Amino acid sequence: KNEVEQSPQNLTAQEGEFITINCSYSVGISALHWLQQHPGGGIVSLFMLSSGKKKHGRLIATINIQEKHSSLHITASHPRDSAVYICAVRSKTGANSKLTFGKGITLSVRP
Amino acid sequence: EPEVTQTPSHQVTQMGQEVILRCVPISNHLYFYWYRQILGQKVEFLVSFYNNEISEKSEIFDDQFSVERPDGSNFTLKIRSTKLEDSAMYFCASSEGRVETEAFFGQGTRLTVV
Repeated sequence: KNEVEQSPQNLTAQEGEFITINCSYSVGISALHWLQQHPGGGIVSLFMLSSGKKKHGRLIATINIQEKHSSLHITASHPRDSAVYICAVRSKTGANSKLTFGKGITLSVRP
Repeated sequence: EPEVTQTPSHQVTQMGQEVILRCVPISNHLYFYWYRQILGQKVEFLVSFYNNEISEKSEIFDDQFSVERPDGSNFTLKIRSTKLEDSAMYFCASSEGRVETEAFFGQGTRLTVV
């Protein structure tokens, strides 16, 4: 069973700050997903990673497979980035295609 | 851009009643999922569905739950006799492939059992 841990639990930042959110997992994976959840509950996929680094706009996601760790970075943060950021993993073995989720980090960006 | 759609967005039901939550996955996707999120808790896997059958289910997905793809486009989750603890946000998701493919989520159905 894969355990997914996210840190910090809650995060408050000033507009313009560089933000890093971390995720670690316990068992080998085939892919890691970063997701965003806004108040009201809808979930949006930000990135899917199996190695290396991806960038989309102000968001950068990295993964270190050996260390079982991923980070999501937000550059030049903005109040509209305020949301819950969730890390979720797909296990590597067998027919298992489900996602196992972390608890999510609540990010508040103040103007 | 293609999206996963869920209906209704919010449903209130009496304890013991049956509810059906509906989802239309993205049309060329082959793998379908239901997840739920109890208020304040993390998202939990319920069931995955491929090739018209359940491929995996969690311990939450007991005999009160069932899934169906009745007409090749809709994907439904039925709860036969709702309990108070079934109150949660239910998310449908779909993906093209099994492992290294992106998951697309619907906006969720908020189920309130009273």
